[in-house]
Amino acid sequence: NAGVTQTPKFHILKIGQSMTLQCTQDMNHNYMYWYRQDPGMGLKLIYYSVGAGITDKGEVPNGYNVSRSTTEDFPLRLELAAPSQTSVYFCASSYSVPAGRSPLHFGNGTRLTVT
Amino acid sequence: GENVEQHPSTLSVQEGDSAVIKCTYSDSASNYFPWYKQELGKRPQLIIDIRSNVGEKKDQRIAVTLNKTAKHFSLHITETQPEDSAVYFCAASTGGGADGLTFGKGTHLIIQP
Repeated sequence: NAGVTQTPKFHILKIGQSMTLQCTQDMNHNYMYWYRQDPGMGLKLIYYSVGAGITDKGEVPNGYNVSRSTTEDFPLRLELAAPSQTSVYFCASSYSVPAGRSPLHFGNGTRLTVT
Repeated sequence: GENVEQHPSTLSVQEGDSAVIKCTYSDSASNYFPWYKQELGKRPQLIIDIRSNVGEKKDQRIAVTLNKTAKHFSLHITETQPEDSAVYFCAASTGGGADGLTFGKGTHLIIQP
C-alpha cells in the first residue's frame, strides 16, 4: 500500500492563477480531508468528504473547492490564488468511522507558495 | 465549537530527562484525544490516543493522561532521546462527525545532547 499520495510536493503559483492539488489513497478509506498548516498555527480543516459524491466545508474553506468522484481521489482546487494561501497542504484519510474515533493517515504534504 | 489550547509552544529538555506537554479543551462532549508527532518536513503521524473512558494510557516511553473534570490531557515522554525531537500536536474530538478533530497549535520539542 502506498497510503495517501499527494502531488506535487512543491509549487510556486502567481497571484490570480489557479491550480489543483492532487490526493489519492489506496486504503479504501471512506473519509478524506484537506488541511492547511501554517507556522505556529497547527492544522486547519479546509474541506472533508465522507464518501464519493459527498463533500462539506471545514473551518477555512474560502478560496478552495473540492470534488470526490471516486473513493480514491480527493483533489483540492485553488481558484484565483492569493498570498494568504501560501501554506503546506496535507491530505488525509481515515477508516469508515468519523475521524474523531480513528487515526488520520496523512500524505507527505504539498508546499505551496503564492507570489 | 471545540477549542484546544496547547502549552508550551517550545520545550527544551536534556537527553534522558522527561518531557510533558499539556492541552486543554473546551467542549465537555469531547471523548477522543489523539497525539500526533511531526518531524521536520514530514507528515504528522499518530503516536498515541486516549478515549474518555480511560484515565491513562502507556506505550513504552510515552504516556497520555486525561482529566475529564478539568478538561485537560497531557503527553509524557520519559528517557527522552534525540529522535524525540519533533513538533507534537494534541487534538480533541466529540466523534460526532467527520470534521470532529480540532488540533492544538503544536509544541516544538528540542532534545539537548
